[in-house]
Amino acid sequence: DAMVIQNPRYQVTQFGKPVTLSCSQTLNHNVMYWYQQKSSQAPKLLFHYYDKDFNNEADTPDNFQSRRPNTSFCFLDIRSPGLGDAAMYLCATSRGSGRALNEQFFGPGTRLTVL
Amino acid sequence: SQKIEQNSEALNIQEGKTATLTCNYTNYSPAYLQWYRQDPGRGPVFLLLIRENEKEKRKERLKVTFDTTLKQSLFHITASQPADSATYLCALVVDTGNQFYFGTGTSLTVIP
Repeated sequence: DAMVIQNPRYQVTQFGKPVTLSCSQTLNHNVMYWYQQKSSQAPKLLFHYYDKDFNNEADTPDNFQSRRPNTSFCFLDIRSPGLGDAAMYLCATSRGSGRALNEQFFGPGTRLTVL
Repeated sequence: SQKIEQNSEALNIQEGKTATLTCNYTNYSPAYLQWYRQDPGRGPVFLLLIRENEKEKRKERLKVTFDTTLKQSLFHITASQPADSATYLCALVVDTGNQFYFGTGTSLTVIP
């Protein structure tokens, strides 16, 4: 089945120690997204890629970076995790604007714990 | 500032009744609006979308309305079942079509 895969499902890191979360998709979608979701809160859009075109949200901290080396993979790098960065990180894909009305397909998420 | 607000409290209803969830927004001009379901510890799953020029959409037991004057969408689940218990999120999609902004969600519990 075509899907969005996130690894690992659970990640524990230490305060200040860089961490990378990964996402892959078999849907061949143009757009990939990263969201941060804290308990009982809305998923917050961090950034998205339309193909190789990177789009950062204005309020996304510089501590968060992303890479998309090819259509299938996208990475979220947290350069110096703080306690406030503990959250569920959701990856999603969509076909992209101009291709009918978009829906997003989400991965299962990676729960990040910062010690 | 931009806001997307959903029912502030959890919603508990009796099985078989209709659940109505609200999504209100300010300072957005959405091209369309979507509703997602999220189960604990999992990613959201798409349910329905409605365009800005549509008043109502239906899919099986689900119905969505969209009033751009009131800046509000209502999401209805008719003949609710315990399996409908989850958190429901509305998402606004702005003009570019690629940016999605989510509400905080409403937790629905359907009591047998």
